[in-house]
Amino acid sequence: DVKVTQSSRYLVKRTGEKVFLECVQDMDHENMFWYRQDPGLGLRLIYFSYDVKMKEKGDIPEGYSVSREKKERFSLILESASTNQTSMYLCASRPGTPTYEQYFGPGTRLTVT
Amino acid sequence: AQSVSQHNHHVILSEAASLELGCNYSYGGTVNLFWYVQYPGQHLQLLLKYFSGDPLVKGIKGFEAEFIKSKFSFNLRKPSVQWSDTAEYFCAVTPTHSSYKLIFGSGTRLLVRP
Repeated sequence: DVKVTQSSRYLVKRTGEKVFLECVQDMDHENMFWYRQDPGLGLRLIYFSYDVKMKEKGDIPEGYSVSREKKERFSLILESASTNQTSMYLCASRPGTPTYEQYFGPGTRLTVT
Repeated sequence: AQSVSQHNHHVILSEAASLELGCNYSYGGTVNLFWYVQYPGQHLQLLLKYFSGDPLVKGIKGFEAEFIKSKFSFNLRKPSVQWSDTAEYFCAVTPTHSSYKLIFGSGTRLLVRP
């Protein structure tokens, strides 16, 4: 079974804080993704990484950055958290082959006050 | 820009009723299609997928979906729902020329009453 784990299920941070969300996958997948999920908007891609140290912006990268130093780990960084970043954050991974299916983690519900 | 539309945001059914959830996408090229499901408190998981071949795809838990290329649709169906099907359902599309990108619809919340 593919396992994608995220460091926290719930997180509460203050406006202006630097926030790190961690994601780890145990299946040696090349591709990893960060999404945010908001009611009525579905999932929107923030960033993805197709290999170690490689990253690409998704649809809503503003206010976020990412880091992928090791294949199994993909971090999402909120440089200065704002209230409009309160959301559910989902990490996913996928093999680099044309399988296309993504495997998702349980999500981190972040509240910025 | 490519997009995915799910027309039903909330659906309420009684057990044993039939289900059909609509999904339409806007992209003229070749696509791969998915339905994901998120049960309450659980992570998003794959229900079924279409890459090529038979346009009628069968997934887990008795779900199926039909790809109709001329209508740009990929509707999800189940002949008889159960209370345990209560969940949020997401349609998603990957244009094959841009295989990294998975574009999601806004989701449909299904409530099945016992």
